[in-house]
Parts: sequence; structure tokens; C-alpha cells
Amino acid sequence: AQSVAQPEDQVNVAEGNPLTVKCTYSVSGNPYLFWYVQYPNRGLQFLLKYITGDNLVKGSYGFEAEFNKSQTSFHLKKPSALVSDSALYFCAVREPSGTYKYIFGTGTRLKVLA
Amino acid sequence: NAGVTQTPKFQVLKTGQSMTLQCAQDMNHEYMSWYRQDPGMGLRLIHYSVGAGITDQGEVPNGYNVSRSTTEDFPLRLLSAAPSQTSVYFCASRKLDHPDTQYFGPGTRLTVL
Repeated sequence: AQSVAQPEDQVNVAEGNPLTVKCTYSVSGNPYLFWYVQYPNRGLQFLLKYITGDNLVKGSYGFEAEFNKSQTSFHLKKPSALVSDSALYFCAVREPSGTYKYIFGTGTRLKVLA
Repeated sequence: NAGVTQTPKFQVLKTGQSMTLQCAQDMNHEYMSWYRQDPGMGLRLIHYSVGAGITDQGEVPNGYNVSRSTTEDFPLRLLSAAPSQTSVYFCASRKLDHPDTQYFGPGTRLTVL
């Protein structure tokens, strides 16, 4: 069974500092990994994905994620955090076949302090 | 394109009442799904559909019914609401052959008293 884990309920970071939001995964076969962001009172928005290729994936709003096969991790990163990055972040894995269902992590609330 | 729309945005029900959450998309997406979002539990799949006339259960289907009479609409019905169904509900859609790009609606916040 596919699963993802987000070990931190909340991450606080000062504006201008680098940020990391952690995600680990458990899959059988090749992983199809995603990050979504949810701003208050909004639906989820796609940030980036890893399907194959380079381990460093670049996405929207200056975010990137590093795929690490040996550590089964897919951490979300940004070199310099903005207050406007404050939101709820979800890691997800999708099934590799069939109807390609998604399994979401529990979410990590990012708070960027001015 | 309006994308994925959901109505209502907020709803308060009493235990035992029924209601339908509406979801519509104008992108001709075959795949539509309903999720519920609860604190500390992320998004969990309730029901999904791969096309008109075809629906299937997700991870947490109990207490919910769905139907898909058209490509555009995918309503979620609560037949007899329970406090455990207090949640935020999201509808999502995508093309069946583009599994990596899905679109989410703005959500419906439901409270069952």
C-alpha cells in the first residue's frame, strides 16, 4: 500500500530564512510524488511533482523539492521564505496504475514570521 | 473556464437531516472525486467517478452517496447527517489520461449539530 507521512504538524520560520517541510513515503515500485498548498478558505493548489528524472524538482512560487530514494523522502524547500508562504502544505503519492488514486499526508502548517 | 465549483460554501445541519453538496466542472474531465478534510488526517477519498454513469467507493464512503449522470456534475449526498460528518469537503477533477494534473474546488465547510 502506498502512504506518505508528514512528521511535523507545524513549521515556523523567520521571513528570509530557508524553509523545509518534510515528507517521507512508502510505495511499492516507482514513486509518483506531489506537493500541494492550501491557502485559507481555498482549495488545494498544485506546487510540484516528481515522476522521474532529476532528484531536485522545481515548482511554483520558488518552491523546490528534493527526492531522496535511499531515505524515501521528498522534502519541500525554499531558499528564502515569505510571509505569504504561510499556508497548509500537503505531500501526496498517487497510485502508479488503475485509476491513479491519490493518498495525501496529514498536512504541515507553515508559519512564516515577519 | 470556471474550473471546479462547489456549492454551498458553508452549511449547518442538524443530526438526521439530509443534504446534497454540489460539484461541477467545465473542463470536460472524466475523473471526479470527493474528499473530506479533517484536522490531523489530511484528505481522505470518499467516492470517485471515472465517467458518467460510473462511480466507486474510496477510503471513507459510509454515510455518503454519489451519482454521475453527466460529465460536468458530481453531487455528494448525505442521507442522514451525523456529527462525525462535520468536515470540509473538497471536490476534484482531472482528465483520466492526465493523472498528474488535478484541480480542486474551493470546498464546502459542513457542520452537523
